[in-house]
Amino acid sequence: GAVVSQHPSRVICKSGTSVKIECRSLDFQATTMFWYRQFPKQSLMLMATSNEGSKATYEQGVEKDKFLINHASLTLSTLTVTSAHPEDSSFYICSARDPTSATQYFGPGTRLLVL
Amino acid sequence: AQKITQTQPGMFVQEKEAVTLDCTYDTSDPSYGLFWYKQPSSGEMIFLIYQGSYDQQNATEGRYSLNFQKARKSANLVISASQLGDSAMYFCAMREGKGNTDKLIFGTGTRLQVFP
Repeated sequence: GAVVSQHPSRVICKSGTSVKIECRSLDFQATTMFWYRQFPKQSLMLMATSNEGSKATYEQGVEKDKFLINHASLTLSTLTVTSAHPEDSSFYICSARDPTSATQYFGPGTRLLVL
Repeated sequence: AQKITQTQPGMFVQEKEAVTLDCTYDTSDPSYGLFWYKQPSSGEMIFLIYQGSYDQQNATEGRYSLNFQKARKSANLVISASQLGDSAMYFCAMREGKGNTDKLIFGTGTRLQVFP
């Protein structure tokens, strides 16, 4: 069964609105979760590392005020795309690090389309 | 410089045959981990196999095995007895160092197509 869930799986929104994506670790407590973005026919690019109880660490070039990350519990991290624009349309996928094996398990991803 | 290199954008293999997907990496950190993930058209990333830099033996998981050649910095994935369901994108990834900041760096992927 799924180890990491993600919701919603697909979202279409108008330009200027904000979208929240949830990532849940189902089988283990994850102090660290990761958010990636994948454009069509490209690889996964790490956006930020989400740490439970502290601020997220963003990769170079990723606007922290635009992509808000909250990791309020050991099983939930959220990514909010604020004031979304068409160029934010992408596949967003999260992962959770299993502390016992250090393996990252991925959620099923969220396809975001901004009109 | 690319940290993870997958030189094969696409590969074809006939059903029941074995196929090798190439991956080379670049790091100066003595502690690292190498992963392979499968991404079908649905988009989910499915963990296949893991090799630690200090592991003495090549990792195996069912039909998947990792040909780890440390001196050459390569970690090729071998899929034996290919099945039609193996058709997907395959990504090699590397984790450097230890601890909670162990982010993954992905290669550009190889699209594998299995034909009858």
